[in-house]
Amino acid sequence: EDQVTQSPEALRLQEGESSSLNCSYTVSGLRGLFWYRQDPGKGPEFLFTLYSAGEEKEKERLKATLTKKESFLHITAPKPEDSATYLCAVRGDSNYQLIWGAGTKLIIKP
Amino acid sequence: IAGITQAPTSQILAAGRRMTLRCTQDMRHNAMYWYRQDLGLGLRLIHYSNTAGTTGKGEVPDGYSVSRANTDDFPLTLASAVPSQTSVYFCASSDSGGPTDTQYFGPGTRLTVL
Repeated sequence: EDQVTQSPEALRLQEGESSSLNCSYTVSGLRGLFWYRQDPGKGPEFLFTLYSAGEEKEKERLKATLTKKESFLHITAPKPEDSATYLCAVRGDSNYQLIWGAGTKLIIKP
Repeated sequence: IAGITQAPTSQILAAGRRMTLRCTQDMRHNAMYWYRQDLGLGLRLIHYSNTAGTTGKGEVPDGYSVSRANTDDFPLTLASAVPSQTSVYFCASSDSGGPTDTQYFGPGTRLTVL
């Protein structure tokens, strides 16, 4: 069964304190791993797609990496505006629908 | 370009009432989706449509129905609402519904069933 687990559930950091969020997955034939950001009261906003192990993508202070079992979202020198819930989803060969993790709530304190 | 719009923004509904959540996209995407989001759970797919005139069931379809009469609109209907349908509902769309598609989301509808 395709499955996605995100950890930690919540993470509090001081401004400038770098860290990583984890997305562990089990999927038959990975077609893509997706990262989204969700602000309170809003819909998820697309950040990255990773397709194969070893791939990396960057956007501002965020960098996403992928292995055969997990993905990391690295946040370098975060700012308070990076506070949000970060969602991970995978798509496999069994069907083309996304399987979602429960998210990591990131709080950056000034 | 608005992207995806959803209406209403929020609604309080008595159990047993019928309710239609509206979703419209202006990106000419072929595929559209309805998800529900509950605290502590990931987004769960209710129904989807890969092209106008076709629909499919997702992970949690019971109690919900959809139609796709044209490319732009994808309404979600609760025929007889129950309290367990209290949730935040998100509509999304993507280019083709294919394996490398990116889904784009609307702002959501917060529904409370009493």
